[in-house]
Amino acid sequence: IAGITQAPTSQILAAGRRMTLRCTQDMRHNAMYWYRQDLGLGLRLIHYSNTAGTTGKGEVPDGYSVSRANTDDFPLTLASAVPSQTSVYFCASSETAHGPADTQYFGPGTRLTVL
Amino acid sequence: QQPVQSPQAVILREGEDAVINCSSSKALYSVHWYRQKHGEAPVFLMILLKGGEQKGHDKISASFNEKKQQSSLYLTASQLSYSGTYFCGTDLGGTSYGKLTFGQGTILTVHP
Repeated sequence: IAGITQAPTSQILAAGRRMTLRCTQDMRHNAMYWYRQDLGLGLRLIHYSNTAGTTGKGEVPDGYSVSRANTDDFPLTLASAVPSQTSVYFCASSETAHGPADTQYFGPGTRLTVL
Repeated sequence: QQPVQSPQAVILREGEDAVINCSSSKALYSVHWYRQKHGEAPVFLMILLKGGEQKGHDKISASFNEKKQQSSLYLTASQLSYSGTYFCGTDLGGTSYGKLTFGQGTILTVHP
């Protein structure tokens, strides 16, 4: 059982390019999340999905979009990358988004550098 | 609003104890604690629900003071493996269920 996989592991990207970070989970979790982690700022929620077919904005959604066509996959797209989007991106999932004790499990992360 | 963690960093010798605090200015439904080692993903430790409960496993426990909107993580008789950055994530509940806001992290270093 892999849990959550993310691809690529790392990427260097020219500013202005489009990039999609992939996230797949095999736990049949309903809820999925994208966070970015920057030094000194902790983890910040970008977008989330409570269930397949629905998405919502988190704390820092600008410049990012997501889709949730099925339960397992939750890709994050940067339409036109900018240097401030240089960060480590973590995908996470939880069984539901409404349980009082839903644990979020994190993927291994994608290190993205925008030049 | 981001919860505030204190201290920002702590250095221990093996066997010593530590307390990490997480404070919020908003009423919380739950607090989630994670540990992250350098270059790795955050790993779940425990969830504290409002009601002032205390939880623990092995030599790591936590409490949640609903009146103060503060959670504390207690690490007892620290081991080398406890080194890492500890994050609290706060959940306001209601329409915000599952949407965690994380503190800036506390770096814990345990020396032999």
